[in-house]
Amino acid sequence: DARVTQTPRHKVTEMGQEVTMRCQPILGHNTVFWYRQTMMQGLELLAYFRNRAPLDDSGMPKDRFSAEMPDATLATLKIQPSEPRDSAVYFCASGLDGGPGEQYFGPGTRLTVT
Amino acid sequence: AQSVTQLGSHVSVSEGALVLLRCNYSSSVPPYLFWYVQYPNQGLQLLLKYTSAATLVKGINGFEAEFKKSETSFHLTKPSAHMSDAAEYFCAVSEDDKIIFGKGTRLHILP
Repeated sequence: DARVTQTPRHKVTEMGQEVTMRCQPILGHNTVFWYRQTMMQGLELLAYFRNRAPLDDSGMPKDRFSAEMPDATLATLKIQPSEPRDSAVYFCASGLDGGPGEQYFGPGTRLTVT
Repeated sequence: AQSVTQLGSHVSVSEGALVLLRCNYSSSVPPYLFWYVQYPNQGLQLLLKYTSAATLVKGINGFEAEFKKSETSFHLTKPSAHMSDAAEYFCAVSEDDKIIFGKGTRLHILP
């Protein structure tokens, strides 16, 4: 049963610390998406990649967030320095370009910045 | 740009009653449409998708949705609600590689 995996599932950190979230997309999927979900804003697209190349990161605060795909099996989202307003659930999703374009979501990383 | 509008941020139905969650899309061409469900403390899970093969689409857990071009709607239904259906439901439309999600509708099931 192919699934998107995310680590860690939960992260509590102090303001100013660096946070790194990791995602392993479904094997063979060539698009990867990072979303942030909060009660106030709902689900927001932060960035996405096709064939490991970043295509759109307009949803990310550029000064503190960065997203990379070191290889086809790993995507990372970093926040440095973290702030309390970054507290949210961060989801990774993967899919295949072309066709309907459905995405498969990981279980999320719940981040709390104190 | 594509968009979807979900009517009602919260919907309550009694167990055993019909579930109807409304979604309207804005698109000048037949789009690809989706319904996703999110159970508490989980990621989004694909319920069903419309790809123009058939206007009535059947999904998992007894849900189905009907694509109506004349009404630009893609409402989600289930004949008989179960307590386990309590979750948040998202309608979505594809745009290039991306999916544009609606704001979500939280479904409450009353015993």
